This record gives sequence, structure tokens and C-alpha cells, in this order.
Amino acid sequence: DTGVSQDPRHKITKRGQNVTFRCDPISEHNRLYWYRQTLGQGPEFLTYFQNEAQLEKSRLLSDRFSAERPKGSFSTLEIQRTEQGDSAMYLCASSLTAAEAFFGQGTRLTVV
Amino acid sequence: SQQGEEDPQALSIQEGENATMNCSYKTSINNLQWYRQNSGRGLVHLILIRSNEREKHSGRLRVTLDTSKKSSSLLITASRAADTASYFCATPTGGNNRLAFGKGNQVVVIP
Repeated sequence: DTGVSQDPRHKITKRGQNVTFRCDPISEHNRLYWYRQTLGQGPEFLTYFQNEAQLEKSRLLSDRFSAERPKGSFSTLEIQRTEQGDSAMYLCASSLTAAEAFFGQGTRLTVV
Repeated sequence: SQQGEEDPQALSIQEGENATMNCSYKTSINNLQWYRQNSGRGLVHLILIRSNEREKHSGRLRVTLDTSKKSSSLLITASRAADTASYFCATPTGGNNRLAFGKGNQVVVIP
């Protein structure tokens, strides 16, 4: 399967713990995005990479959040000191252009 | 920030009927996209319509765009149970570096 892959699919963590999610984009895509989606809402932009450069970050991305794309291929999103409000679906997408984005299946985070 | 606003929010129809949903946006765009999301899954790109296009078809999907009213509609003809999903419109924003999504339309197709 050459689609966008996210791991894990589900994560349950205790409040205050750190979590890290991984995204493997479609191999030839140089653009990679992270979005967050809460129940009943559309995805909200978190951050954007072009190759290994993080070019844009949303104000939603507090200092507890950090994202990397070290070699311009896979990306990781880390949340430190998780809070209950961080519970959401975290979606990764990749694209070649600013047009069609290809999304992964998402990582559902539950903070208890 | 969310730019698209879909209307109606929830729609329940019988299999075989058509489903229409609308989306409005606030700023100038160069394209508008529609995505489908099955429950608990990622988003799937359905169709993109450019600002110089008024109507576009893809299989059972028909999308219209009215840039003067800053609105778009998505029509699904001859609906099937497998069309049950949430549908989102999205517009490029932030210098085309990201997509702004609406809240989505939940469509339930009853077999």
C-alpha cells in the first residue's frame, strides 16, 4: 500500500504522559501536514512541512507540541504533558501540490 | 481558522435518492475541494473545482461553484448505503500551505 500511513491507530494515555505519533507520507510527496479533529468538527490545521523544513505552525500548536520531519520523509508529532483537551484524532496528510491532499487513517488519542 | 461552512449539517435519505449539501466560504479562492470521511477514518479526496469552473462531474458526484456568492454545492446522485459518511468542503488558505475545512455534513443513506 503506497498511501499515507499513521502509527499508532489508537493511543490511550494518562494525563501528564508524553506521546509520539508517526506519519509516513506517500514517498514522492514533499509536502506533509498535521491536522487535529475533534468530534463533530472538521480538521484543524496544526503544522506544515515542505521537505524537512517546518514552514508553518498554527497557534493551536502550543509549546507542548512539537513536530519533526528529519530527513524530509516520515514525520513525528510529539505531545508532552498531555491534557484531557488533547483528546482528538490526529491526521497526517501529504501532497505534491497545494491542491489534492492525501490523508492517513489518523491516530485517535484518548487522554484519561 | 475554519473557512467553509456546510449546510445542512445532517441529512438522512433513502437509498437511490439524491443528496445535496452546500458550503460557503469567506475569502477569495483558487479552488475548492470536497472530502469524504467514513466514521473514525481518514479523509478521502473526492473532487476539486477551480475558481474558473462553474460545474464539475465525477461519477455520481456533481459539484458547482458560485464565486460571486462564495458558495459550492455537492450533489450525490442515486445514493447508496456506502455513501454514508461525513462530507467536508475545504479551501486552500495561508498562501496555499494548508486547507481550511468546514464542520462537515453527516449523510446517512438508509438501505
